[in-house]
Amino acid sequence: DAKTTQPNSMESNEEEPVHLPCNHSTISGTDYIHWYRQLPSQGPEYVIHGLTSNVNNRMASLAIAEDRKSSTLILHRATLRDAAVYYCILRDVAPGSARQLTFGSGTQLTVLP
Amino acid sequence: DTGVSQDPRHKITKRGQNVTFRCDPISEHNRLYWYRQTLGQGPEFLTYFQNEAQLEKSRLLSDRFSAERPKGSFSTLEIQRTEQGDSAMYLCASSQGTGQETQYFGPGTRLLVL
Repeated sequence: DAKTTQPNSMESNEEEPVHLPCNHSTISGTDYIHWYRQLPSQGPEYVIHGLTSNVNNRMASLAIAEDRKSSTLILHRATLRDAAVYYCILRDVAPGSARQLTFGSGTQLTVLP
Repeated sequence: DTGVSQDPRHKITKRGQNVTFRCDPISEHNRLYWYRQTLGQGPEFLTYFQNEAQLEKSRLLSDRFSAERPKGSFSTLEIQRTEQGDSAMYLCASSQGTGQETQYFGPGTRLLVL
């Protein structure tokens, strides 16, 4: 599986935007970029995914570099409830590829009031 | 609440005992996954089912671990002769098996082996 690299931790102030980076220099053409987050004492939850174009949903935006070797998850206004571990995951959709998610250690986001 | 439930939420057992966990996925989801998560680490894949067929098992799944999904609905994960190293959070997830296959995770079962 192609590997992702994320900072171990980041801090943000409440109601300010947060940009969470992810490097994936060995990404293949059939890898989608997925983001999940895990709030304290809960299972991971899906946030967003994309292939080449930037994506927006009600939770966040995903900005993907033109060469696809990096991406950034953007939370437009962080709230205290956004404090979580954020995982950047590559999912290969080529036939025969693994179905499971391969998690790294993620980025622990702390939101300060 | 994602619609995936797990039971029990917490389990304390003594080394050498057997334990069984249950996962109830979202009803229309045909894929079901088990992951294990230790403190400070991301979840690690254990095994997955498509309907009742167990299609893949991780090398992490030793002979002491067995999983079933007898009717393609709920699943059980059994650990025999538990060891202290089995202490972890056991997570279940389900997906529709189509498109990008967003996985929906349950709250997990936290196992402590004394």
